Amino acid sequence: GAVVSQHPSWVICKSGTSVKIECRSLDFQATTMFWYRQFPKQSLMLMATSNEGSKATYEQGVEKDKFLINHASLTLSTLTVTSAHPEDSSFYICSAWDRVSPKNIQYFGAGTRLSVL
Amino acid sequence: LAKTTQPISMDSYEGQEVNITCSHNNIATNDYITWYQQFPSQGPRFIIQGYKTKVTNEVASLFIPADRKSSTLSLPRVSLSDTAVYYCLVVELTGGGNKLTFGTGTQLKVEL
Repeated sequence: GAVVSQHPSWVICKSGTSVKIECRSLDFQATTMFWYRQFPKQSLMLMATSNEGSKATYEQGVEKDKFLINHASLTLSTLTVTSAHPEDSSFYICSAWDRVSPKNIQYFGAGTRLSVL
Repeated sequence: LAKTTQPISMDSYEGQEVNITCSHNNIATNDYITWYQQFPSQGPRFIIQGYKTKVTNEVASLFIPADRKSSTLSLPRVSLSDTAVYYCLVVELTGGGNKLTFGTGTQLKVEL
């Protein structure tokens, strides 16, 4: 299957700092990528849809100024958590849709564990 | 998007066949059923996808009855490494790039 790389896998930061997470589709072009958040023992919650060359679409309740998304190329989307606070600590996962695949499968990155001190 | 309902947890032993059933009563004509597997602290991994009847790949089978209101993921001869959360999702395939809505999933625990 297609490969989605997510970096970093784990990050610790001080409260008030910003953290950038990268999501890359390694062997296919992804016009659409998605960002999820997952708390321990809970399901994935969609945060936003990232479209190449246009503004991201955020789900209700997700602060767009807090979670900045940039999708500047067909293989890269970034999520920046601005002025992070302890409550932002979570597991962030990206996915990319392989538009060439007839099955419309989304492939997921390995996730980023964010710990805000 | 059709809502899905699946058991919260299941227990099994190595070598057994495991069947996880998912209910999706409001599935639409353009919707497909997709299953993902997730290990702790990892992103979900695509397992199988189907529209109707039976689909089989190298890791699982997916059974979908004619009314498509439910589906069953079948894992043959599970091992300890199959312990994971399994998510059933209904995905609209028209247009592509559609967002996924994850339910609670089924925590499968495989023991010796």
